[in-house]
Amino acid sequence: EDQVTQSPEALRLQEGESSSLNCSYTVSGLRGLFWYRQDPGKGPEFLFTLYSAGEEKEKERLKATLTKKESFLHITAPKPEDSATYLCAVQEWDNAGNMLTFGGGTRLMVKP
Amino acid sequence: DTEVTQTPKHLVMGMTNKKSLKCEQHMGHRAMYWYKQKAKKPPELMFVYSYEKLSINESVPSRFSPECPNSSLLNLHLHALQPEDSALYLCASSQGEMGAGGATGELFFGEGSRLTVL
Repeated sequence: EDQVTQSPEALRLQEGESSSLNCSYTVSGLRGLFWYRQDPGKGPEFLFTLYSAGEEKEKERLKATLTKKESFLHITAPKPEDSATYLCAVQEWDNAGNMLTFGGGTRLMVKP
Repeated sequence: DTEVTQTPKHLVMGMTNKKSLKCEQHMGHRAMYWYKQKAKKPPELMFVYSYEKLSINESVPSRFSPECPNSSLLNLHLHALQPEDSALYLCASSQGEMGAGGATGELFFGEGSRLTVL
């Protein structure tokens, strides 16, 4: 059975304190790994798609990387506005459609 | 601004009421989804429509009834709900058809409808 585990569950950083969020996954055949950001009471917002090990994507202070077993979301010099829940999700080749398996999320709080 | 619009943003209903949640997108996407999200949990897939046909029903109780009147609209009809059905209901859309091929995990979510069942 597909499994997606995110760690830590919650992370508190000072403004400017860089860190990484982890997403480990177990699927039979990875079609894609997706990162989303979700603000409280809102729907998730798509950030990145990663397809193969070694791939990297960047957007402002965020950088996502992928290996065969996990993905990292690196946050460089975070600002308070980066506070949100970050969700990763995987899609495998075998499934019947656009089904995503979400991880439990990492709640990030960046203090000024 | 999100390009997937959900109404209402908040809904309070009794267990005997009948209500509907509505979702609209004008991006030309051919797949639309309903997700349910409880507090501090990830979204859980409920239904998937592809080209206006129901393609996935994740064993959702019959008190939830989806409807896709056209390629831009998605409804979720609610009847005889239970207090444990209180949650944030998210609509999403994506390009591409279902199955192998053009499917993508890049979903565009609406802001959700916060449902409280008394």
